[in-house]
Amino acid sequence: DGGITQSPKYLFRKEGQNVTLSCEQNLNHDAMYWYRQDPGQGLRLIYYSQIVNDFQKGDIAEGYSVSREKKESFPLTVTSAQKNPTAFYLCASCVTSGGREQFFGPGTRLTVL
Amino acid sequence: QKEVEQNSGPLSVPEGAIASLNCTYSDRGSQSFFWYRQYSGKSPELIMFIYSNGDKEDGRFTAQLNKASQYVSLLIRDSQPSDSATYLCAVFGNRGSYIPTFGRGTSLIVHP
Repeated sequence: DGGITQSPKYLFRKEGQNVTLSCEQNLNHDAMYWYRQDPGQGLRLIYYSQIVNDFQKGDIAEGYSVSREKKESFPLTVTSAQKNPTAFYLCASCVTSGGREQFFGPGTRLTVL
Repeated sequence: QKEVEQNSGPLSVPEGAIASLNCTYSDRGSQSFFWYRQYSGKSPELIMFIYSNGDKEDGRFTAQLNKASQYVSLLIRDSQPSDSATYLCAVFGNRGSYIPTFGRGTSLIVHP
């Protein structure tokens, strides 16, 4: 089955730790995205990538980093510089032609201890 | 600043009624419009998309687009309790833009 997977489903981080959230897709989509969602809030864009080895900052990139070494993978690292990382993190992908409808992974819920 | 506005709700409708969800957008050049359903604690699920003015129907769902007035709406006929969720509107700008703008969502409650 084609789709987007994210792992882990739940993640706990201690103060000062870096953690990496995994996102993999087998939809052959060129573009991939990372969003953050806080309770009662909309989606805020962290980073996006249209092609391999290229990515751009979104609206709230500070304290986060990404890589895009493979078309299928777009991991997100939450660094210790991100002071309030507790949130629901969503990865999405889409084609870069046509309607560009985004499909989402199941999400990772990150909690700072 | 591109904006997409939705009434946060909650919108409460009785089972079997028509639920009407609305979304307005500021970028007049917007080309593609999407509706997502998000259950509590889950990720958004694409339920409808529309590109042209007018109505698009899919089962109990109808998306309506009016580019002149810059709004897009979602109608859910014969609402069921399982439709209770938050509905997100997403808008893509001019051709070549790969960054959608999401509204904050409207919470829908369908009560028996």
